[in-house]
This record gives sequence, C-alpha cells and structure tokens, in this order.
Amino acid sequence: EAEVAQSPRYKITEKSQAVAFWCDPISGHATLYWYRQILGQGPELLVQFQDESVVDDSQLPKDRFSAERLKGVDSTLKIQPAELGDSAMYLCASCRAWDTEAFFGQGTRLTVV
Amino acid sequence: ELKVEQNPLFLSMQEGKNYTIYCNYSTTSDRLYWYRQDPGKSLESLFVLLSNGAVKQEGRLMASLDTKARLSTLHITAAVHDLSATYFCAVDSGNQFYFGTGTSLTVIP
Repeated sequence: EAEVAQSPRYKITEKSQAVAFWCDPISGHATLYWYRQILGQGPELLVQFQDESVVDDSQLPKDRFSAERLKGVDSTLKIQPAELGDSAMYLCASCRAWDTEAFFGQGTRLTVV
Repeated sequence: ELKVEQNPLFLSMQEGKNYTIYCNYSTTSDRLYWYRQDPGKSLESLFVLLSNGAVKQEGRLMASLDTKARLSTLHITAAVHDLSATYFCAVDSGNQFYFGTGTSLTVIP
C-alpha cells in the first residue's frame, strides 16, 4: 500500500542550529501539505503545494522556515535557526487533488534543546 | 478564518457504553474528514464525508454530516479499549483542511 514517507522520524537539535525534514508523497499526488502539531493540539497548516507551486504559506514563519518542492514530487521543510518553541511533530500529507482525502506520513518529531 | 470546534475535548468512558463526539464548523463546506491519532503516531484516516446527509460506518464507529447545521458527529457504539485514541475532524474549505481541537478518548475496562 502506498504511503507518505518522511524522514527523519526523530530529530534533536540545539537552539540556533539548522534542521531539515524530507517528505516523499504518494505517487501521483499533486497536493502536498506540511503541518505542525504541538503536543495536545490539532495540526496547523504551515504550507501547501500544488505540484511545485506554493498555494498557501500564510502561516509559515518565513523569517526562519522555508519549504520547497522543486520538481513537484518530494519536498523539504527547513528551519534556520531553530528555536525552543519549534519543538513539535511535523507532519507531511498528500492528496490527489485539493478536494480529496489527505494521507499523512509518520511525521518527524523535533526536539529543540 | 474557518473555525472547527470539537466537544468534548476529553472523554472517559467505560467499555460497552455508547457516546457521541461532536464537530461544529463556522463556514459552508461539503467535505469533512475524521482522523484517528494514537499517542506519538501520525493521523489515520477514518471517514470521508462528502455531502449533506452522508453517513459512514466502520465497526463500532459511525460518522455523519449535516452541512446545513455545520455539524458532524462521530458515534461510538459499545466502546472497547482499542478505541482509545485522539479523534480529529477536519473541514475542507476552499483548498485546505482546518483541523478541530481533537477529542482524547479513553475507554476504561
């Protein structure tokens, strides 16, 4: 069964360091999302791609976060510099089109120390 | 901005009992999704509701959607311990999902 792949599963980094997460969506899924989920809360959208284009990044803290999906397939989310408040689960999801069901990857658990 | 509210936020119920989780949202939408999340894990899709009056059932869970009332329910029948998890509803508005606050369900033997 096709899955959304994310790596790494866990990441511990020091404050002010750079960190990057990778996501490979299900093959053929044009829409890709990055969500951040703080412990005890629901996922919050950071950025949405349609193919290689950013559709919505209004909630992305652009002073430190960046996201790209250069060839419209896999995607990278970067944080530089990381802050203590960035500790969270970062979830990637994909769907065939914007109005269909989204499938989530296993997530990357980030701890900033 | 679309707001999605779930209640209750926390639910502790005994095995064998029935209960309903409610999801209210603030704007028009014809698409609503229910997800399950186990501690430390990602989100697993449970139900996709795509029209007013839609009802889906899987095992002890049944979800329904009333788009006129902007309300979805997730009904649990004869709860078992394996259903313990956090349940999220997500509303599709335009081109993105808005997630509810989640309902943490604990089923007590």
